[in-house]
Amino acid sequence: GAVVSQHPSWVICKSGTSVKIECRSLDFQATTMFWYRQFPKQSLMLMATSNEGSKATYEQGVEKDKFLINHASLTLSTLTVTSAHPEDSSFYICSASSGTDYEQYFGPGTRLTVT
Amino acid sequence: GQNIDQPTEMTATEGAIVQINCTYQTSGFNGLFWYQQHAGEAPTFLSYNVLDGLEEKGRFSSFLSRSKGYSYLLLKELQMKDSASYLCAYLYNFNKFYFGSGTKLNVKP
Repeated sequence: GAVVSQHPSWVICKSGTSVKIECRSLDFQATTMFWYRQFPKQSLMLMATSNEGSKATYEQGVEKDKFLINHASLTLSTLTVTSAHPEDSSFYICSASSGTDYEQYFGPGTRLTVT
Repeated sequence: GQNIDQPTEMTATEGAIVQINCTYQTSGFNGLFWYQQHAGEAPTFLSYNVLDGLEEKGRFSSFLSRSKGYSYLLLKELQMKDSASYLCAYLYNFNKFYFGSGTKLNVKP
């Protein structure tokens, strides 16, 4: 149990375009989902926390108008990178928490390359 | 972040024991989690501590001292497959995690 999927697993896009990444909890209801970014050889940096049906809470320094997060249901959250630039190239990982314990379950990640 | 510090890299021998330390600032603390991450993959959960003391789980153990803002992950009987990055993560205000920079462990034959 406790499986989280992400789609796509990788994406290559041109500078200036927008990219949407989906995060789904497959066998549990995720009251909270987290989005992280990880640059090569660095640790995970929390970008934002989203609760179903409410606006996401962004970490300091993360542009909410550039990284749009929607948590429309208890099993789906999406991250849209708008007007992507090469410096946005990174590994984006989501995690989900059921709220019954503090464990979070990670998706497999999405590798974004902006050319 | 929450000023989470851990060593950047460590090397150990197959079959040995290694301890990876993690220190953090103590405000808003609700738990300390340890994850393993292989290159290009998402982290996988290893262990967590909410109260002081040692939690043992097979070859992996984790220790916490809340008063000192200190935790460690102990790996016994090291195997080559244990070569990975180990991340400590701090649960803050019961609703978000902040990760340390990770410790890359190299296990040599």
